[in-house]
Amino acid sequence: AQSVTQPDIHITVSEGASLELRCNYSYGATPYLFWYVQSPGQGLQLLLKYFSGDTLVQGIKGFEAEFKRSQSSFNLRKPSVHWSDAAEYFCAVGADDNNNDMRFGAGTRLTVKP
Amino acid sequence: SQTIHQWPATLVQPVGSPLSLECTVEGTSNPNLYWYRQAAGRGLQLLFYSVGIGQISSEVPQNLSASRPQDRQFILSSKKLLLSDSGFYLCAWSRGRPNQPQHFGDGTRLSIL
Repeated sequence: AQSVTQPDIHITVSEGASLELRCNYSYGATPYLFWYVQSPGQGLQLLLKYFSGDTLVQGIKGFEAEFKRSQSSFNLRKPSVHWSDAAEYFCAVGADDNNNDMRFGAGTRLTVKP
Repeated sequence: SQTIHQWPATLVQPVGSPLSLECTVEGTSNPNLYWYRQAAGRGLQLLFYSVGIGQISSEVPQNLSASRPQDRQFILSSKKLLLSDSGFYLCAWSRGRPNQPQHFGDGTRLSIL
């Protein structure tokens, strides 16, 4: 079965600085990858997804992610962080033969310093 | 557009009491439906999923159960809550095709006293 690891539990960046959140996956076939954001007390909102094609994926709120098969990674990036980006971020991987088998990472909590 | 509604937003229940959390989806038909639990500071644990009315798959054995009485309605229940049932419960839906993203409700914060 597929799995996903988010190595960083908590990251702090200054407002206006660039951001990169790491995600590593394990899956034998082509993975289907997602990034979600969760504000405190809220549900998860889909930021972006990768199925195939261009390995650099653009999402909402100025986020992008790059799929690197050789590194089994799908890191999330943003060139300039805003205070409103403070939240929990989850990477998820789906299996190509089972729509219901989506595995989520443990999440990375982002703190933004003024 | 599709929307998902989950209620109540917060719930405080005594140990041993019953539970019923409801989730409904609008704007789509025959969705896949999911119940997750999120413990504090941890990721999401899939509890149940459903691909159609009356079809429920359980991922984790526990004292919770799920039902899908209508196409776009998903209910999470318990006859007797345990302290360990405390957590944040999330309902989600996806299109009934492979590799579709899941879309989440706003969650229910359940506290067991």
